[in-house]
Amino acid sequence: DVKVTQSSRYLVKRTGEKVFLECVQDMDHENMFWYRQDPGLGLRLIYFSYDVKMKEKGDIPEGYSVSREKKERFSLILESASTNQTSMYLCASSSREGGSYNEQFFGPGTRLTVL
Amino acid sequence: GQQVMQIPQYQHVQEGEDFTTYCNSSTTLSNIQWYKQRPGGHPVFLIQLVKSGEVKKQKRLTFQFGEAKKNSSLHITATQTTDVGTYFCAGHVWDAGGTSYGKLTFGQGTILTVHP
Repeated sequence: DVKVTQSSRYLVKRTGEKVFLECVQDMDHENMFWYRQDPGLGLRLIYFSYDVKMKEKGDIPEGYSVSREKKERFSLILESASTNQTSMYLCASSSREGGSYNEQFFGPGTRLTVL
Repeated sequence: GQQVMQIPQYQHVQEGEDFTTYCNSSTTLSNIQWYKQRPGGHPVFLIQLVKSGEVKKQKRLTFQFGEAKKNSSLHITATQTTDVGTYFCAGHVWDAGGTSYGKLTFGQGTILTVHP
């Protein structure tokens, strides 16, 4: 059974703080993704990674960076948190088999509040 | 960039009524996936459609992929209170170089409320 875990369910930070969100998957998946979810906007892709040390910008990368030093771990970094980054952050992973891509498995999410 | 639009944003039904959500893409999709997110939960994969005109059923849920592979729908027959949640479609597109890395573009989701 695939398990994707995220470091915190709830996080409260102050404006200007550096914030680290961590995600770990236990199924040896090649691809990992970070989304933010806001009411009425669905899931928007921030960054994704298709291999260790590889990263690609998603649709809304501004204000974020990522790190993937190990295959199972994908970190999202808010260099200087701002109030408009208050949101639910979801991590997901997926495998690549035979050139096609399978479904994404999501973690439980981190609800981040920036004061 | 690619856009996936999903309607309606909200749907309130009485238990036993049918429900349909529609998904439209600005570009041709290689496949489309559907996810369900229960209140307070995370998205969970329901199904993937790959072929033009494909129809798949899961008990009371019927999924369709349009002939042009630019639209899709999810229909629930005789809704139950357990169907409550947000339903997302997500499109997968290969780029010009033949890669996508499994990147999905999600619709905004349809929030379904079922009144007993």
